[in-house]
Amino acid sequence: GQNIDQPTEMTATEGAIVQINCTYQTSGFNGLFWYQQHAGEAPTFLSYNVLDGLEEKGRFSSFLSRSKGYSYLLLKELQMKDSASYLCAVKVANNNDMRFGAGTRLTVKP
Amino acid sequence: NAGVTQTPKFQVLKTGQSMTLQCAQDMNHEYMSWYRQDPGMGLRLIHYSVGAGITDQGEVPNGYNVSRSTTEDFPLRLLSAAPSQTSVYFCASRSKRDSYSGNTIYFGEGSWLTVV
Repeated sequence: GQNIDQPTEMTATEGAIVQINCTYQTSGFNGLFWYQQHAGEAPTFLSYNVLDGLEEKGRFSSFLSRSKGYSYLLLKELQMKDSASYLCAVKVANNNDMRFGAGTRLTVKP
Repeated sequence: NAGVTQTPKFQVLKTGQSMTLQCAQDMNHEYMSWYRQDPGMGLRLIHYSVGAGITDQGEVPNGYNVSRSTTEDFPLRLLSAAPSQTSVYFCASRSKRDSYSGNTIYFGEGSWLTVV
């Protein structure tokens, strides 16, 4: 089977830093994605890692360790608008076989 | 700049009724897929297509049919709706190019379906 695990909920304070972890056990690996999803909206692409290491994009960074089956999404200088669900997804095969975690609902408080 | 367009946005069905969720993309993407999203379960792949005339099953295909007669369109049919199919449905597309941008999935806005 395919397992992608991430915490269900997290809370953080405006201006702080938060790290959302994702562990995966899948039959194949062709890249790991992070998506942001606000309530009632479609997911939007945040980052893509296929090699080990850190990818930085502004306030958002994503890290991957393939040997450990582990990734994290780091959000810096949190803003109220960052309150959303964050979805970890693994591309299992080089076709359309994407598997998603259940998502982590982040609440940013003043 | 339409991207991925799916309709309807909201639908209420009675058990046993059939319906089709429409999906169209204008980015000339080869890959299209349908997901359902349920609380606590994340997005689950229903069916996908790697090109016109080619479809395949995902994680949860039972109760759904798809076809891909053109590159642009990928409709999802519920043959005989059941309450277990109450969910939010997302259509998605991406390019088959194996690149950073090619791996980006573009989602439609979602269809909220309730089966009573």
